[in-house]
Amino acid sequence: GDSVTQMEGPVTLSEEAFLTINCTYTATGYPSLFWYVQYPGEGLQLLLKATKADDKGSNKGFEATYRKETTSFHLEKGSVQVSDSAVYFCALGRGGATNKLIFGTGTLLAVQP
Amino acid sequence: GAVVSQHPSWVICKSGTSVKIECRSLDFQATTMFWYRQFPKQSLMLMATSNEGSKATYEQGVEKDKFLINHASLTLSTLTVTSAHPEDSSFYICSARDLGTVVSFFGQGTRLTVV
Repeated sequence: GDSVTQMEGPVTLSEEAFLTINCTYTATGYPSLFWYVQYPGEGLQLLLKATKADDKGSNKGFEATYRKETTSFHLEKGSVQVSDSAVYFCALGRGGATNKLIFGTGTLLAVQP
Repeated sequence: GAVVSQHPSWVICKSGTSVKIECRSLDFQATTMFWYRQFPKQSLMLMATSNEGSKATYEQGVEKDKFLINHASLTLSTLTVTSAHPEDSSFYICSARDLGTVVSFFGQGTRLTVV
């Protein structure tokens, strides 16, 4: 079945450092891939998505490219800020309103000033 | 963008009482909504899939008689935690998907504390 593997955290960085959070998936066909972010005490917010191979999702300086050959969707940001501190979830989904998302375990990012 | 509203955002209740959590899609219709539970520092665990006009589909290990789900309209699903106990204390999150997209939108979550 479908699954998502995400690097364990916490990831602790200094402000303006480069961020990479690794995510790989196992799935048949061509699922859509997502990154969600959860700030303390809140629900999840969609950060970015990619719906087919080689697509690049981007938002708020974050980027991730759908790599079918390596079954990966790594999240990157060139210069993190303290306000980026949150838990980041990689997820896989398929078309159709009834199809649930498959989440990775989440990675806590802590950015220090 | 589409918004999913969840209410209440936090609730404290006594052991043995029941608590109802509402999840509403504000600007789109959702025939299916999902209920998740999240333990501290852990990922989301899918509890059940809520289907408008029919019975919910529960994940393995989730007690359907304890976590009652009702999806009475295309914009509202409710989760009722019956006879709550301290071990039910958790963060509950709902999500819904707009039929026209592949994106799931999440409510802001409900922090349940049973004392």
